[in-house]
Amino acid sequence: GQSLEQPSEVTAVEGAIVQINCTYQTSGFYGLSWYQQHDGGAPTFLSYNALDGLEETGRFSSFLSRSDSYGYLLLQELQMKDSASYFCAVRSPDRGSTLGRLYFGRGTQLTVWP
Amino acid sequence: GAVVSQHPSRVICKSGTSVKIECRSLDFQATTMFWYRQFPKKSLMLMATSNEGSKATYEQGVEKDKFLINHASLTLSTLTVTSAHPEDSSFYICSARTRGLAGGPGHNEQFFGPGTRLTVL
Repeated sequence: GQSLEQPSEVTAVEGAIVQINCTYQTSGFYGLSWYQQHDGGAPTFLSYNALDGLEETGRFSSFLSRSDSYGYLLLQELQMKDSASYFCAVRSPDRGSTLGRLYFGRGTQLTVWP
Repeated sequence: GAVVSQHPSRVICKSGTSVKIECRSLDFQATTMFWYRQFPKKSLMLMATSNEGSKATYEQGVEKDKFLINHASLTLSTLTVTSAHPEDSSFYICSARTRGLAGGPGHNEQFFGPGTRLTVL
């Protein structure tokens, strides 16, 4: 089976740095994605790591270690608008599909305080 | 990024009625669309995967006769909740996968619709 673990809640103040960890156990692995979801909204794609290392996109960075089955999302210079749920998702092989499918974690609720 | 729309955004219906939700990829062709269900403060649970022109593949525990999925074209997939009951009340989200070239910026990326809030009374 597939399982992903991430903290349920994280709080921080504006301007701070926050790291949201994700560990996974999956049968087969293509890559790790991160999505942001505001209340009542659609998940928005943030990043995708297929190889080990750090990917930086503006204030957000994502890291992957395949040997440790571990990744994290790093959010810098936090802003109030970053308050949202953040989901890690593993792309794993799926029957009949060369691109696999996504398995989502339970999400981490980030609250940014002024 | 690519845009996926869903209609309606909210629907309230009586128990026993059927509800159809549309999912459209507006500026790209999506050979594969996914339907998810999300409960409050919970993760996205994949219900089914639909490929254009073929029958949807349902996840274990999802009743295919209750949740009818049609993917008639490369830009449209529909989910029909038949004989809806209060326990079907949920947030339904569709997602479409781009046909980007391998290694390119669109490859392997899924774009999500804004979701449909279904309330069954």
